[in-house]
Amino acid sequence: DQQVKQNSPSLSVQEGRISILNCDYTNSMFDYFLWYKKYPAEGPTFLISISSIKDKNEDGRFTVFLNKSAKHLSLHIVPSQPGDSAVYFCAAQNEAGTALIFGKGTTLSVSS
Amino acid sequence: DSGVTQTPKHLITATGQRVTLRCSPRSGDLSVYWYQQSLDQGLQFLIQYYNGEERAKGNILERFSAQQFPDLHSELNLSSLELGDSALYFCASSATVQGSGNTIYFGEGSWLTVV
Repeated sequence: DQQVKQNSPSLSVQEGRISILNCDYTNSMFDYFLWYKKYPAEGPTFLISISSIKDKNEDGRFTVFLNKSAKHLSLHIVPSQPGDSAVYFCAAQNEAGTALIFGKGTTLSVSS
Repeated sequence: DSGVTQTPKHLITATGQRVTLRCSPRSGDLSVYWYQQSLDQGLQFLIQYYNGEERAKGNILERFSAQQFPDLHSELNLSSLELGDSALYFCASSATVQGSGNTIYFGEGSWLTVV
């Protein structure tokens, strides 16, 4: 049973537009959420995180929104750039601080 | 560069064989994690060690085992290998394990191909 779900396997966006990647979770004990970016043949790279006490966290072009009542988070990339083309993984952690639980990823393609 | 080092980067071996994957965590990190990424699968958590002790277990097969040594490096041992074990194996590390808000940093992975 998947506790972290990324229901869109892929997303295509034009350069300069907004990319919105979505993630749903089922475990209400999760209280820390992270997004990782992964290029082929490389390890996942930490991008941005958000604690459950917040509903928004921003870092440059990247913003993560958390809706606890809906158990939903999203990553916004504005403006999207061709270099953003990668697989994006959503991950969640519970308050015990055990290992991250990952979604299956969304492949983002940004065309110029 | 995340600071997490994994060796070997690529490995090809036959079914029934045993291999060992090695990981050096980031300097100062006490916690080590192993993940498996198969085709069409997300990152599956296998096992976590903290300061030499097993901390949490995920979907790790009985044919697989791991350990963390006093110098904090870790090894993942895969035995009686099957074709389905072909995957990318990631090691990750973090500073601590207690409490959330604990960012985990990944190595570049070890590609295992079983033929």
